[in-house]
Amino acid sequence: AQKITQTQPGMFVQEKEAVTLDCTYDTSDPSYGLFWYKQPSSGEMIFLIYQGSYDQQNATEGRYSLNFQKARKSANLVISASQLGDSAMYFCAVYTGGFKTIFGAGTRLFVKA
Amino acid sequence: GAVVSQHPSWVICKSGTSVKIECRSLDFQATTMFWYRQFPKQSLMLMATSNEGSKATYEQGVEKDKFLINHASLTLSTLTVTSAHPEDSSFYICSAAPGHSSSPLHFGNGTRLTVT
Repeated sequence: AQKITQTQPGMFVQEKEAVTLDCTYDTSDPSYGLFWYKQPSSGEMIFLIYQGSYDQQNATEGRYSLNFQKARKSANLVISASQLGDSAMYFCAVYTGGFKTIFGAGTRLFVKA
Repeated sequence: GAVVSQHPSWVICKSGTSVKIECRSLDFQATTMFWYRQFPKQSLMLMATSNEGSKATYEQGVEKDKFLINHASLTLSTLTVTSAHPEDSSFYICSAAPGHSSSPLHFGNGTRLTVT
């Protein structure tokens, strides 16, 4: 079974600074996908970035990058140049076969002006 | 992009009644949909996997007689909370499986259920 661990329940970051949100995972499947989602207070799930288990390079999407360390089973999200609108819950997720996706506990990010 | 519509966005019902939540894929066919439950300030907990034309697969600890899932067509899955109680109050969110493995799930906007 898959497991996702996010050890930071809450994080503060100053506007325009970078922040790293931690995520470790555990799965016995050799092929898997890792995702990060953002959930604002309105509740919708917003996809941010994807990393495949066989991808050699770290994924990047605009201000988001994923620091993928496969041997350590780590998939940290880095948000550069934080904006006030980045304040939200952030979830790390893993899926294996069949698209069944399991989510971590989440990290609430607060961006300070 | 793929759109998933979830209805209603919020519902208040009395204890003992049943509530149906619909999840529709608007511009694509979804053979597999997932239902999640989220308590305030907590993570999304997978309740069940809904497969078109077959019985849903429930996660451990989820009462299948309590949470009835029907996936009668390639574009519609429904979750019915039967004989609802206040402890069933929660945020329910559906998602549809993407077309290929590197794509994220397509989420509905969720349904906030309050049972009084």
